[in-house]
Amino acid sequence: KNQVEQSPQSLIILEGKNCTLQCNYTVSPFSNLRWYKQDTGRGPVSLTIMTFSENTKSNGRYTATLDADTKQSSLHITASQLSDSASYICVVTPGGGGNKLTFGTGTQLKVEL
Amino acid sequence: NAGVTQTPKFQVLKTGQSMTLQCAQDMNHNSMYWYRQDPGMGLRLIYYSASEGTTDKGEVPNGYNVSRLNKREFSLRLESAAPSQTSVYFCASSEALVRAGYEQYFGPGTRLTVT
Repeated sequence: KNQVEQSPQSLIILEGKNCTLQCNYTVSPFSNLRWYKQDTGRGPVSLTIMTFSENTKSNGRYTATLDADTKQSSLHITASQLSDSASYICVVTPGGGGNKLTFGTGTQLKVEL
Repeated sequence: NAGVTQTPKFQVLKTGQSMTLQCAQDMNHNSMYWYRQDPGMGLRLIYYSASEGTTDKGEVPNGYNVSRLNKREFSLRLESAAPSQTSVYFCASSEALVRAGYEQYFGPGTRLTVT
């Protein structure tokens, strides 16, 4: 069964600090990997989309990396802000014509003063 | 440009009642989707519509029906609500099917409780 596992489940950091969230997946074949940010009570918002041939992609203070050989991705947040408090969800799109994204359960990040 | 809108925002139903969740997008997208999000689980696809006039089952279609009313609107119907359908429902849209790498835009969600 295709799975996406994220770690840690939750994380608390101080404002201004950096953090890295992890995503391991077993989806195969694989088309692309996405990271979403979901604020409490809101729908997910896309941060990055990477194809299997891309190693890194940035969106402001967010940088995603992908190692397709080890089936691992990470999301690095630089100089965190209070507004970064949210759930971060890793999502994998299967290749081979599949249209059903596999969502991870997310990492709940809280940024404190 | 409102993006993806959903109505209602909140709903409480009794077991056995029916209701329709409405979704509309103003981005001229071809593909639309319905997901449910439950605590401790990732979003799961209920149904999707690749283009106007087509619908397909997702991962968890049982107990639901959908209608792609036109290019803008995609509704989700619960014919006989059950407590297991208590969830947060998200509608999403994309220019074309997500497997091609298109961005997917989500609505704000509908929180449904079935008692």
